[in-house]
Amino acid sequence: DTGVSQDPRHKITKRGQNVTFRCDPISEHNRLYWYRQTLGQGPEFLTYFQNEAQLEKSRLLSDRFSAERPKGSFSTLEIQRTEQGDSAMYLCASSPPRFYEQYFGPGTRLTVT
Amino acid sequence: QQPVQSPQAVILREGEDAVINCSSSKALYSVHWYRQKHGEAPVFLMILLKGGEQKGHDKISASFNEKKQQSSLYLTASQLSYSGTYFCGTLLTGGGNKLTFGTGTQLKVEL
Repeated sequence: DTGVSQDPRHKITKRGQNVTFRCDPISEHNRLYWYRQTLGQGPEFLTYFQNEAQLEKSRLLSDRFSAERPKGSFSTLEIQRTEQGDSAMYLCASSPPRFYEQYFGPGTRLTVT
Repeated sequence: QQPVQSPQAVILREGEDAVINCSSSKALYSVHWYRQKHGEAPVFLMILLKGGEQKGHDKISASFNEKKQQSSLYLTASQLSYSGTYFCGTLLTGGGNKLTFGTGTQLKVEL
């Protein structure tokens, strides 16, 4: 197992710009999740995919956020017109078909200036 | 609704034991436990499912009281490497796949 990988690890962008993050899950995992985490808080659920289907999306996620998992393998999370409040760690996790325990990637730290 | 963890923080001497609790007001399908060190991603420790199944690391033990919607994580003979923030995450019965993380417990193990 190579683990979940995320790219980039750090992203600094100016307010109003669009950013895209990539997540590569563990190869045999069919479920993929995106979370956002701010300092001192636990991860906050954003969205969930089973294979290529996006099955759940947090009501907290504004229309500026979109996620895809086109072939049921890697996933991308795009934030359009970034705001300073979007600054956070964006975590991706994947889980195997049975117990659904989640394995997290190292995260992408986004700073919006 | 976010599960509540207790204690909020605990300091241990190496070799001491600790219990971290997680409580929900809603019916749970499963409880997940993670440890997160500063600047790193959460690391999976244990999952406990309604009905008694569980999966996790050999050196970690936990319990799940389905009637009370409570779970406890037992850390025995603590080591310096156990330091970090512990989160429980809960999946609700009939609540899809949205894992909701608890308030967190900061654990520090000292020599």
